[in-house]
Amino acid sequence: DAKTTQPNSMESNEEEPVHLPCNHSTISGTDYIHWYRQLPSQGPEYVIHGLTSNVNNRMASLAIAEDRKSSTLILHRATLRDAAVYYCILRDGRGDLAGGSNYKLTFGKGTLLTVNP
Amino acid sequence: GAVVSQHPSWVICKSGTSVKIECRSLDFQATTMFWYRQFPKQSLMLMATSNEGSKATYEQGVEKDKFLINHASLTLSTLTVTSAHPEDSSFYICSARVLSGRTSYEQYFGPGTRLTVT
Repeated sequence: DAKTTQPNSMESNEEEPVHLPCNHSTISGTDYIHWYRQLPSQGPEYVIHGLTSNVNNRMASLAIAEDRKSSTLILHRATLRDAAVYYCILRDGRGDLAGGSNYKLTFGKGTLLTVNP
Repeated sequence: GAVVSQHPSWVICKSGTSVKIECRSLDFQATTMFWYRQFPKQSLMLMATSNEGSKATYEQGVEKDKFLINHASLTLSTLTVTSAHPEDSSFYICSARVLSGRTSYEQYFGPGTRLTVT
């Protein structure tokens, strides 16, 4: 599986934007970029995912570099509830057209985001 | 988004006993569910992929006879930890795959089950 590299931890202040980086230099053309976050003692929560183009949803924005070797998760205004471990995951999409038979998410260590009041 | 529930949310059992954890997709049908395990301050480790109506696929190093998975319906998968020992104490998390659009998938996670074996 293609690997991702994320900083171990980051800090932000409440109501300020947060840019969480992820490097994936060995990404293949069929790899989707997924972001999940996990609050303490909870299961992971889906944040956003994309393939080539930048993506926006109500939670965050995903900026994907033109060469796709890196991406950035953007939280536009951090709140205390955004404090969590954020995981950047590459998912091989080759199996999707066949019914997702190869679907698998492999979690790395993620980035622990601390939000200061 | 899709909702996945787990029961129980926490359980304490004695060494040598078996424990069953349920994972349900509440508002959708899931042909595929996944079971993860997470030790303190570590990341999630995929244990097995559970397919409705067929045998689960276990990741390397996971004992299939110890961690029994049953996916008897499109909304329920169960994980049974047999003859549990203290080293099996962990946070067990299930997830379900949902079709997103025509060909892409999203994965939704349950809230997790904290297992403590004494």
